[in-house]
Amino acid sequence: GAGVSQSPRYKVAKRGQDVALRCDPISGHVSLFWYQQALGQGPEFLTYFQNEAQLDKSGLPSDRFFAERPEGSVSTLKIQRTQQEDSAVYLCASSLIRGELFFGSGTQLSVL
Amino acid sequence: TQLLEQSPQFLSIQEGENLTVYCNSSSVFSSLQWYRQEPGEGPVLLVTVVTGGEVKKLKRLTFQFGDARKDSSLHITAAQPGDTGLYLCAGASRDYKLSFGAGTTVTVRA
Repeated sequence: GAGVSQSPRYKVAKRGQDVALRCDPISGHVSLFWYQQALGQGPEFLTYFQNEAQLDKSGLPSDRFFAERPEGSVSTLKIQRTQQEDSAVYLCASSLIRGELFFGSGTQLSVL
Repeated sequence: TQLLEQSPQFLSIQEGENLTVYCNSSSVFSSLQWYRQEPGEGPVLLVTVVTGGEVKKLKRLTFQFGDARKDSSLHITAAQPGDTGLYLCAGASRDYKLSFGAGTTVTVRA
């Protein structure tokens, strides 16, 4: 596809369950970002990759959050032992090194 | 905690009216971007402003960056129902890191 693809679109998890969210960036895009958007708020930065290198993970809320991009393309955001406060839309975006950010449609995570 | 404050939070107007959305911060940004986000979708970039005092026009949308590069405004002339959405401003303090405001929800009634 031509855009950033995220899966699943919706995820319902029981509290304590582990989840994995996938992002397929635009082909050739070097930079990849994860953002968290709570209801009624703007996106909050989580982490940034340049190719396979995670250059900034300062926005990850706790050590339960882990992101990887092992081959410099697809990325996975993993949340261990989910809590209710983790409920949010998780957005992935990609870009050329210094270019326009293209966002995916997001994964809406609901933790019950 | 969001570095950028947007106002108003909600705006509902009739088709054909004008509207202005404001974005303010105590921080200086190297550039500022405006996005529009529709329900169930990711934000889509509308414009990037870089120079203090810069004004950019995109059809019926006018964007202004404050002289001190701390604030910005978005003005829509003769709003249409298709302008309905969540408008987000985002400031760049490094090459890659964006800080978003909480957004302004704009509803244009036909």
